[in-house]
Amino acid sequence: GAGVSQSPRYKVAKRGQDVALRCDPISGHVSLFWYQQALGQGPEFLTYFQNEAQLDKSGLPSDRFFAERPEGSVSTLKIQRTQQEDSAVYLCASSSRTGSRTDTQYFGPGTRLTVL
Amino acid sequence: AQSVTQLGSHVSVSEGALVLLRCNYSSSVPPYLFWYVQYPNQGLQLLLKYTSAATLVKGINGFEAEFKKSETSFHLTKPSAHMSDAAEYFCAVSDFSFSALNFGKGTSLLVTP
Repeated sequence: GAGVSQSPRYKVAKRGQDVALRCDPISGHVSLFWYQQALGQGPEFLTYFQNEAQLDKSGLPSDRFFAERPEGSVSTLKIQRTQQEDSAVYLCASSSRTGSRTDTQYFGPGTRLTVL
Repeated sequence: AQSVTQLGSHVSVSEGALVLLRCNYSSSVPPYLFWYVQYPNQGLQLLLKYTSAATLVKGINGFEAEFKKSETSFHLTKPSAHMSDAAEYFCAVSDFSFSALNFGKGTSLLVTP
């Protein structure tokens, strides 16, 4: 079956531009996570959705970052007024259960954002 | 907070040799631990996970890991390396709230002929 998909795969933005990154989770998965992976580092948690509810956004680095999942399926991560330090790979993951610490998260291929 | 530390950012082994990638955890509650693999330009793929059942966990592609509470470790091993095992490997622990994963910095595995 289809896995997690993300688009675009690559995005180049000029500093100050707004960008929107899309995640299509596995159908029926209720939990959705966004992570940021800087070059040479492990992924770092940004935010978590349970269906359409954003239950944790403690990892969002600034108020320029905003995420939504209005119908409980597709999610969009928006970054306003991009800065060079926002350059990273943004990973989306989904899992089938709600808040289960043992559940497997399935990751998409990521969106590589480069801010010039 | 739950965290993991991966010892060795780069590991090089010969094809056919034992693979050992080290991971130590810190957790105030019983940890749930994961190993993921990342191939270039791809997302992370789960290799195996420990969820407090058997302490020796077998995963895909011949990998296994042993949970050792006394050593706070969850090292990943494979008896015989293949060229196709060359990738980035991440150890992760499930955070207490909402099950977000806390990842280590990763270990890059190089397999030489």
